Amino acid sequence: KQEVTQIPAALSVPEGENLVLNCSFTDSAIYNLQWFRQDPGKGLTSLLLIQSSQREQTSGRLNASLDKSSGRSTLYIAASQPGDSATYLCAVDNQAGTALIFGKGTTLSVSS
Amino acid sequence: EPEVTQTPSHQVTQMGQEVILRCVPISNHLYFYWYRQILGQKVEFLVSFYNNEISEKSEIFDDQFSVERPDGSNFTLKIRSTKLEDSAMYFCASSVGLGSWGDTQYFGPGTRLTVL
Repeated sequence: KQEVTQIPAALSVPEGENLVLNCSFTDSAIYNLQWFRQDPGKGLTSLLLIQSSQREQTSGRLNASLDKSSGRSTLYIAASQPGDSATYLCAVDNQAGTALIFGKGTTLSVSS
Repeated sequence: EPEVTQTPSHQVTQMGQEVILRCVPISNHLYFYWYRQILGQKVEFLVSFYNNEISEKSEIFDDQFSVERPDGSNFTLKIRSTKLEDSAMYFCASSVGLGSWGDTQYFGPGTRLTVL
């Protein structure tokens, strides 16, 4: 059964720092890995989707990498800003591609 | 930009009552999903729906739950007899195709269900 784990559970950094969030999954037979952002009491916003054949994806200050064989992904945030404060969730597709399996998330706090 | 919408944003109900949560998926999407997130826990998959049929459901999605696409735009989740442990944020999502095709699921803002 696929399990997704995210570390750390929480992270506090000063504005301007570069940071890395980690995600690991137990079954390397995935179709995609997605990173989402969740603001308190709000829905999920898709940030990046990496297909299993890809190694990384970039969007602005965000860069996500995928090492499928080792079951790991990282989300790199460059030059963090207070507006980046949120919970970041990692998710992979199930074997049929019909559902997402989520990690518990990393709650990021960026102070000005 | 098209988005998934959900109503109501917050629903309070008494234990044992029926509730219906409503979603309007993005108009050209074909696959629809419900997830839930109990406070402080992971987002959990409930059910996926395609072509007016359930395509997959989790262990959580027991006989108390049902889904329906009553018309061309709405997608609903019904909980027949709510329990305290059904209190959670319920998210609707939709996608053009499956994850196996590389398609992203787009999530709505959620409905917070509180069962008293």
